[in-house]
Amino acid sequence: AIPMTQSPSSFFASTGDRVTITCRASQDISTYLAWYQQKPGEAPKLLIYAASILQSGVPSRFSGSGSGTDFTLTITFLQSEDFATYYCQQYYSYPRMFGQGTKVEVK
Amino acid sequence: QVQLVQSGAEVKKPGSSVKVSCKASGDTFKNYDISWVRQAPGQGLEWMAEIIPIFGTPKYAQKFQGRVTVTRDESTSTSYMELSGLTFEDTAMYYCARRRSSAPRFAFDVWGQGTMVTVSS
Repeated sequence: AIPMTQSPSSFFASTGDRVTITCRASQDISTYLAWYQQKPGEAPKLLIYAASILQSGVPSRFSGSGSGTDFTLTITFLQSEDFATYYCQQYYSYPRMFGQGTKVEVK
Repeated sequence: QVQLVQSGAEVKKPGSSVKVSCKASGDTFKNYDISWVRQAPGQGLEWMAEIIPIFGTPKYAQKFQGRVTVTRDESTSTSYMELSGLTFEDTAMYYCARRRSSAPRFAFDVWGQGTMVTVSS
C-alpha cells in the first residue's frame, strides 16, 4: 500500500486568498495523482488528474503540480464556493488510497 | 448525460449483509473501471474495491478482503457491491465511481450520488 499524507488537515482562509494544499506519497507514484473537492452532503468532484491536468469544466483558478512523491493543489483567488474539503488520491497501484483530507474554512 | 445512479438507503442489523447497486447511463459501460469508496460520518474517503471490464478480477483493499464482493453486469451496465458481516463501524455513505480503463492517467471522473448504509440493532 502507498499511504498518502495531506497537510494541513484544516485551515482558515478568506475569499481572494491564494491557498496551497500539499500531498505526499510514501513512494514514487509518478503523476498518478488526483485531487477531489467535496462539499457537505455531496459526492466528491474531480478537479485535477495526472497531477496537473484540469478536469473539464473546473475553473482555471485551480491548479496542480508535482511528480514522484510530492504534490500541490493551488487555488488562486479563493471564491466562496471553494470552501470545502479537498482530498488527494493515488491511482498508481492498489489499494487506491486517499489522503486524509484538508478542510478549507471561512476565516 | 453521463451518470451513475445508486440504489437507495439501507438499514441493516449487525451480522447481516448489504448489496448496493450502481447503474451507469449515458456512456459505454464496458469502457470503465468501477471503484467503490466509503465515507463514515464525519470521516474521510476510504477506497474499498475496484472491478475492471468484462472478465476482470476485482481488486480489494486488504481491510475488506473476505467481506466484500464486487461484481458487474455488462448487459445492464450495473455494478454491485456486497458487504457481509456488518458491524456498527460499517455505517457509512457508499459511493461508486468510474475511471476510463484504456487511459491509465485518467482518474475517477463520475461518481454516484451515494448510498447510506446504517447498521443498527
